[in-house]
Amino acid sequence: AQSVTQLDSHVSVSEGTPVLLRCNYSSSYSPSLFWYVQHPNKGLQLLLKYTSAATLVKGINGFEAEFKKSETSFHLTKPSAHMSDAAEYFCVVPTGNQFYFGTGTSLTVIP
Amino acid sequence: NAGVTQTPKFRILKIGQSMTLQCAQDMNHNYMYWYRQDPGMGLKLIYYSVGAGITDKGEVPNGYNVSRSTTEDFPLRLELAAPSQTSVYFCASSPSPDLGQFFGPGTRLTVL
Repeated sequence: AQSVTQLDSHVSVSEGTPVLLRCNYSSSYSPSLFWYVQHPNKGLQLLLKYTSAATLVKGINGFEAEFKKSETSFHLTKPSAHMSDAAEYFCVVPTGNQFYFGTGTSLTVIP
Repeated sequence: NAGVTQTPKFRILKIGQSMTLQCAQDMNHNYMYWYRQDPGMGLKLIYYSVGAGITDKGEVPNGYNVSRSTTEDFPLRLELAAPSQTSVYFCASSPSPDLGQFFGPGTRLTVL
């Protein structure tokens, strides 16, 4: 079965500095992978998805992620954090007919 | 497209009452899911469906029931509400797990 591990439960960055949210996956093959964002008291929104077409995936709001098979990683990055990026981020992998959610990373952006 | 819609947005129930949370999608997705999210926690799968007439239990199905009579609708039934069912409930749909899920806005339920 596929699974993901989010390596940081909380990340704090200053506004305008880069963001790095780390996700490692466990799979016997190259899976599909997703990053979702959840702003306070809101639903989950798909940020980006990897489906084997290209290893560098660009998403909404300036986020991108790179699939690295050799490192079994799918880290989420953004060059410059904005206050509106403060939210919970989930790395997700499909497993059978269901989805395995990482435990989430809470991003705080300091003005 | 409206995407995934959920009603109601908020609800307060008394212990022992029953209710149905509605979920509908207009994207012709075969896969649909119900999750609950407790404060400060991740999502837990309650039930899911891979198509009309087919449902299956997730991680936390006790106290809930579902039906899937059409592709569009996937209602979640709470029988004999308990305080432990106080949570935010999210419905999601998917054309295929490899393509990800689309989430509804959620229903915030409080059981007193």
